[in-house]
Amino acid sequence: EAQVTQNPRYLITVTGKKLTVTCSQNMNHEYMSWYRQDPGLGLRQIYYSMNVEVTDKGDVPEGYKVSRKEKRNFPLILESPSPNQTSLYFCASSRGLPGDEQYFGPGTRLTVT
Amino acid sequence: GEDVEQSLFLSVREGDSSVINCTYTDSSSTYLYWYKQEPGAGLQLLTYIFSNMDMKQDQRLTVLLNKKDKHLSLRIADTQTGDSAIYFCAESSDYKLSFGAGTTVTVRA
Repeated sequence: EAQVTQNPRYLITVTGKKLTVTCSQNMNHEYMSWYRQDPGLGLRQIYYSMNVEVTDKGDVPEGYKVSRKEKRNFPLILESPSPNQTSLYFCASSRGLPGDEQYFGPGTRLTVT
Repeated sequence: GEDVEQSLFLSVREGDSSVINCTYTDSSSTYLYWYKQEPGAGLQLLTYIFSNMDMKQDQRLTVLLNKKDKHLSLRIADTQTGDSAIYFCAESSDYKLSFGAGTTVTVRA
């Protein structure tokens, strides 16, 4: 089954404790992206990647890092999480062509206390 | 990203039509999308329209695009309880998507 998986689905952590949210897709997609969803703000793009070893900032990259060492994986790293990073995070992938559908993961709800 | 705006809430009676509106500012947008998010789930593409079209129909869904006014709408005919969800308008001029804040549609019996 074609899918985007994220782990963990839920995470509660404390300020400053490094964490990684994993994202994996099995569709051989070139393009992968991370979004955060906050009430009243919709989805805002954090980082995206057009291919292996090619990453670029989205609209809200501060406080986040990503890597793309393999085509299928695109982890999101929070080196020193802060409470304003409490949010619902979505990973998405697509073939990377204009107009292509983006396939979304199920989401990771992160709470930073 | 470019601004995409939509109203936050819509309440509709079961069996009626729902109309969700969206405005965007990027005149270079080439694709406009409607995504649906059910509770506890990710986003799922409902339909999309290319910017040189003004209407697209897909079963109960009708998308209207007024490119001059940068206005997009989604009409759901015969709204059912399963249509209760958050609907996101999005636009792109390449591979990058810009989303609106989402419209929460509540279907009442």
